[in-house]
Amino acid sequence: QKEVEQNSGPLSVPEGAIASLNCTYSDRGSQSFFWYRQYSGKSPELIMSIYSNGDKEDGRFTAQLNKASQYVSLLIRDSQPSDSATYLCAVKGAGGTSYGKLTFGQGTILTVHP
Amino acid sequence: DAGVIQSPRHEVTEMGQEVTLRCKPISGHNSLFWYRQTMMRGLELLIYFNNNVPIDDSGMPEDRFSAKMPNASFSTLKIQPSEPRDSAVYFCASSRTRFDEQFFGPGTRLTVL
Repeated sequence: QKEVEQNSGPLSVPEGAIASLNCTYSDRGSQSFFWYRQYSGKSPELIMSIYSNGDKEDGRFTAQLNKASQYVSLLIRDSQPSDSATYLCAVKGAGGTSYGKLTFGQGTILTVHP
Repeated sequence: DAGVIQSPRHEVTEMGQEVTLRCKPISGHNSLFWYRQTMMRGLELLIYFNNNVPIDDSGMPEDRFSAKMPNASFSTLKIQPSEPRDSAVYFCASSRTRFDEQFFGPGTRLTVL
């Protein structure tokens, strides 16, 4: 079982719609969760971090965390073609050999079409 | 503010040659991470340093790979000898502490022929 799992997609949404990206993780003790955006040929760019259960909003982005279900999601409202990219979920290890280490999911490819 | 700096941006070499990748973390950041990204395996952590000390190198694929951080502003990842399967994009990232958000450099695209 992979430590951090994402649907690889591709996820295709029309411009102006809400894009919903999902991620599950296996380390129940994890406390820190991150979403990165990666454009083709570029490096990962941090867009959201979340540490507590519930929602965290930043502009058009909302991160949602449910530690009981070991589930993290990212919502992008009013999606724009410029949001087309690969979105990487990352989870920081809480203990043992994973302490302080960031584990990435395989990424979800998002395409926003006009 | 300058971000993480990596050099070279592209490297093409022949099998058996030594390759050295370089990284300058963000000033004031105490943790530095080396990652490798391929289509098959995604983004993998190779090694990370905290206050210039290697903390975890369990992701280093084999003895051909080595990394150093002689001071707070410079790190190298060396592959010797290089093999075609080492072809990938290598990223360096830094964070204020090992528990904070990580910021990535532009990466080095390595091609081993």
